Amino acid sequence: GENVEQHPSTLSVQEGDSAVIKCTYSDSASNYFPWYKQELGKRPQLIIDIRSNVGEKKDQRIAVTLNKTAKHFSLHITETQPEDSAVYFCAAKTGGGNKLTFGTGTQLKVEL
Amino acid sequence: DADVTQTPRNRITKTGKRIMLECSQTKGHDRMYWYRQDPGLGLRLIYYSFDVKDINKGEISDGYSVSRQAQAKFSLSLESAIPNQTALYFCATSDSGGARQFFGPGTRLTVL
Repeated sequence: GENVEQHPSTLSVQEGDSAVIKCTYSDSASNYFPWYKQELGKRPQLIIDIRSNVGEKKDQRIAVTLNKTAKHFSLHITETQPEDSAVYFCAAKTGGGNKLTFGTGTQLKVEL
Repeated sequence: DADVTQTPRNRITKTGKRIMLECSQTKGHDRMYWYRQDPGLGLRLIYYSFDVKDINKGEISDGYSVSRQAQAKFSLSLESAIPNQTALYFCATSDSGGARQFFGPGTRLTVL
């Protein structure tokens, strides 16, 4: 089955700096890659997603890039703010249905 | 607003007890999922259902069972709870046309 690896597991940045989280996947047939943000005690919330026919997608301060050849995708957050502090999960859609395989998460801390 | 809800939100039980976690949604989605979240392990799929008559095992289904009582309701049961089933459980939904999944608020289960 699909395997998704996520790095780093923890990331600390200064407010205003950029943050990058990387994921690799194993199944070349995967075609959908969402990113979720989970604040402490809350549910995971979809923040951005990308399909395999697109190389990059932006939404204000966040962007996702996809390299199908290398089978990796990344989340980029610019001008980080304290409210960006959370756990971020990447995922890849596997198989013929809508099953997602998740990475193990990155704890992002934005320091003042 | 259309939403995904879970009951109970917190539950403490003893080893060997039967317990049921319930999920309801008003999103009108066909597909429903149960995940388990453990620190450092991300979200792992337990069971999923693409419609009322469809039930599928995920990657960690042993020790769990599910029931899809209606399009809007999907229950997860632990027939005989054990301590290593202590975790945060999330229900999620998606429509049949897309891969975006929306999560409920979670149930924190502790098995003593």
